[in-house]
Amino acid sequence: QTVVTQEPSLTVSPGGTVTLTCASTTGAVTFGSYANWLQQKPGQAPRTLIYSSTNKHSWTPARFSGSLLGGKAALTLSDVQPEDEADYYCLLYSGGTHVFGGGTKLTVL
Amino acid sequence: DVQLVQSGAEVRKPGESLKISCKGSGYKFTTYWIAWVRQMPGKGLEWMAMIYAGDSETRVSPSFQGQVTLSIDTSTDTAYLQWSSLKASDSGMYFCARLFGAKEVDLWGQGTLVTVSS
Repeated sequence: QTVVTQEPSLTVSPGGTVTLTCASTTGAVTFGSYANWLQQKPGQAPRTLIYSSTNKHSWTPARFSGSLLGGKAALTLSDVQPEDEADYYCLLYSGGTHVFGGGTKLTVL
Repeated sequence: DVQLVQSGAEVRKPGESLKISCKGSGYKFTTYWIAWVRQMPGKGLEWMAMIYAGDSETRVSPSFQGQVTLSIDTSTDTAYLQWSSLKASDSGMYFCARLFGAKEVDLWGQGTLVTVSS
């Protein structure tokens, strides 16, 4: 069964740049993994920011971008804002099913 | 507005049954899949299962196989998640989400908190 790994926690300064990654135990994450990136703030439902590894929804702030990097899916936040402090989850399509990563707690400090 | 609206919080005893709902509006309900996602207190998101609103084709994650039942009512554009015999370990927040292309999530419901306690 696929296991999807993310950094458990990261800290970034306001205005800085940070990259979160998402790896799969079954091999390289590719466009065929349809990587989605979700943001979840405390007490709220998740919100999908990125789909198909690199595409933004209409509501996704421009400072968020998705990519494939060294066999992993990546989410890069540029010019980080205090309101970006949240949990971030990747979601991969693998072997006919969907699997979430364990999430990254991003602290803006 | 395009949205998914879920039913309210529920409290049940172990062994009881429960059915929670997720109502879609603002879009053609029968042309999308609906997924259900569990989040236990203080933990991450878990993919449970998905159902195609057009024909009720269902795909259940191995971890949840036999534990839950999914259904659709196209007359009210509502998806349901049900348990026949709840356990304390079923306590958590349950989210529904809309998929496009059967692979990617765009829209989320607000969540339904389920508490199972004697």
